[in-house]
Amino acid sequence: DAGVIQSPRHEVTEMGQEVTLRCKPISGHNSLFWYRQTMMRGLELLIYFNNNVPIDDSGMPEDRFSAKMPNASFSTLKIQPSEPRDSAVYFCASSLTIGVYEQYFGPGTRLTVT
Amino acid sequence: GNSVTQMEGPVTLSEEAFLTINCTYTATGYPSLFWYVQYPGEGLQLLLKATKADDKGSNKGFEATYRKETTSFHLEKGSVQVSDSAVYFCAPKTSKLTFGTGTRLQVTL
Repeated sequence: DAGVIQSPRHEVTEMGQEVTLRCKPISGHNSLFWYRQTMMRGLELLIYFNNNVPIDDSGMPEDRFSAKMPNASFSTLKIQPSEPRDSAVYFCASSLTIGVYEQYFGPGTRLTVT
Repeated sequence: GNSVTQMEGPVTLSEEAFLTINCTYTATGYPSLFWYVQYPGEGLQLLLKATKADDKGSNKGFEATYRKETTSFHLEKGSVQVSDSAVYFCAPKTSKLTFGTGTRLQVTL
């Protein structure tokens, strides 16, 4: 099993540019989660999907952030326009479904906005 | 919503020392409780979990007991190794996981 796949692993961009982060969950998993990790705020849940439908996006910081899950095997997190304070490690995780199930995390995308 | 309080790190121990990382939580409803571990440069991995009061989760020599009366889920290991150096996250879960700030453990020879 390949695990959760994220791309790119590292992204460096200039302020104002659009950034798209990608995630492929584990095959057969119905729930997908996007997290952001920073030294100041720790690990924050941004949004999660169940069966490709967004369930809770209350953690999305502002309208510059958007996430989609067009099918069961792919999700994107987009930031437009990006700002330096968006610099963080973004993790995608998937689980069998919502409930008492383990979440499997991807390796993360380290985003640096200059 | 849920919240978690973990002990401040970093925790520095010598190899074979006893480890305790404290975790207390507040939650609406009856949460399941998890410990996740993050090794350098990697994503989080589930370490252990407990789903009801008095359950003990265990894995790789680590243990934690679900204490409903004290709303705690302290992580323990009898003898740590250098390879246990990582960041440990306590997380209650009702509808979603809520992570603490993490406790960095550094084990030295």
